[in-house]
Amino acid sequence: NAGVTQTPKFRILKIGQSMTLQCAQDMNHNYMYWYRQDPGMGLKLIYYSVGAGITDKGEVPNGYNVSRSTTEDFPLRLELAAPSQTSVYFCASRPWTGGAYGYTFGSGTRLTVV
Amino acid sequence: EDQVTQSPEALRLQEGESSSLNCSYTVSGLRGLFWYRQDPGKGPEFLFTLYSAGEEKEKERLKATLTKKESFLHITAPKPEDSATYLCAVQELQGGSEKLVFGKGTKLTVNP
Repeated sequence: NAGVTQTPKFRILKIGQSMTLQCAQDMNHNYMYWYRQDPGMGLKLIYYSVGAGITDKGEVPNGYNVSRSTTEDFPLRLELAAPSQTSVYFCASRPWTGGAYGYTFGSGTRLTVV
Repeated sequence: EDQVTQSPEALRLQEGESSSLNCSYTVSGLRGLFWYRQDPGKGPEFLFTLYSAGEEKEKERLKATLTKKESFLHITAPKPEDSATYLCAVQELQGGSEKLVFGKGTKLTVNP
């Protein structure tokens, strides 16, 4: 049981480049989330999804896009990367029954934009 | 205005020296308060969920409690392996869906 898998673990992008951060879960969870974590700051919600085909914006969605074509996968797309998007990105998932067993997080993608 | 405030930002303890971390929150209609542990370079690891005032949960040397305005994570006789950043988050209903709002964390260092 792999849980939540994120790839890549590290990436350096040049300003203006684009990339997709991959997130996959094998727990059949309906809900999936993307957070970013900056030094000294709490995790901020970028986008979330309540099921395949349904996505919505979180607190800091500008500069990002998501899609959810399957229950398992929830990729995060960065278009026209900017230095402000340098951060650690975490994907998380939980079942529809709520958070009694916690949200499961991936190990993160550390992105640097130069 | 922060909805979830954790204190202190950093805490240094000697091995065996018990202490508590605080998490205060201002959200209305709490739908769960979560504690996570995060090691450097890793994702947050789930510890506890608390739902109602007066509720307590324990795991090894950790005990979490909840009141109407705050939660405490008590660490009894800590060991160096308890060193980590501890994150508090509240689950609230926004836009028809539940989401986690995190505090900035408390970095705990336990010296041998």
